[in-house]
Amino acid sequence: DIVMTQSPLSLPVTPGEPASISCRSSQSLLHSNGYNYLHWFLQKPGQSPQLLIYLGSNRASGVPDRFNGSGSGTDYTLKISRVEAEDVGVYYCMQVLQIPYTFGQGTKLEIK
Amino acid sequence: QVQLQQWGAGLLKPSETLSLTCGVYGGSFSGHYWTWIRQAPGKGLEWIGEINHSGSTNYNPSLKTRVTISVDTSKNQFSLKMSSVTAADTAVYFCVRRVIVTKRLDYWGQGALVTVSS
Repeated sequence: DIVMTQSPLSLPVTPGEPASISCRSSQSLLHSNGYNYLHWFLQKPGQSPQLLIYLGSNRASGVPDRFNGSGSGTDYTLKISRVEAEDVGVYYCMQVLQIPYTFGQGTKLEIK
Repeated sequence: QVQLQQWGAGLLKPSETLSLTCGVYGGSFSGHYWTWIRQAPGKGLEWIGEINHSGSTNYNPSLKTRVTISVDTSKNQFSLKMSSVTAADTAVYFCVRRVIVTKRLDYWGQGALVTVSS
């Protein structure tokens, strides 16, 4: 199985400040077609996860442009340019290159 | 707007079979993979498996011997059965739509808590 490792696991952030989450995979997620099969989700308290970023860097419909995904191969980053109170929750990366699809452990973002 | 609504028994005894169904409302049923993901209390997410409209399945090898995912295209529903459950199977189970080309998981059900306890 591809192991996904996120850091940090806990991320206290002051509103208006930027935030960054790292996700590393045990194998490259870059397919020969040029796409990185890596998605980012946010699970707000008491809710189902919601898709933020797909294929490494594409914002899902309705996702604010303060969320940006980057990276390739085995190293990926989710950046929030200016954190807002509504961004609180647990962020997960997920690889969809190889079955079984696997998730990172999650990064809990909280407001300072 | 696409909505996924799931239902099934919420309390099971060890060794019983878990059974959940997810109804898909809106959007196309064919042309997607229909997925089950679970989350143990206070834990992360685990991919269980998926099925497409023609019945082609993929399973997590760690659960494959106990899991069956089926589809009923006449009702736009898909189902999860997991046999011989134990306390370790206590979790919130989510049904999710997966787009085929981009593999993005774009619509999630509300989640169903299944508790296994004697």
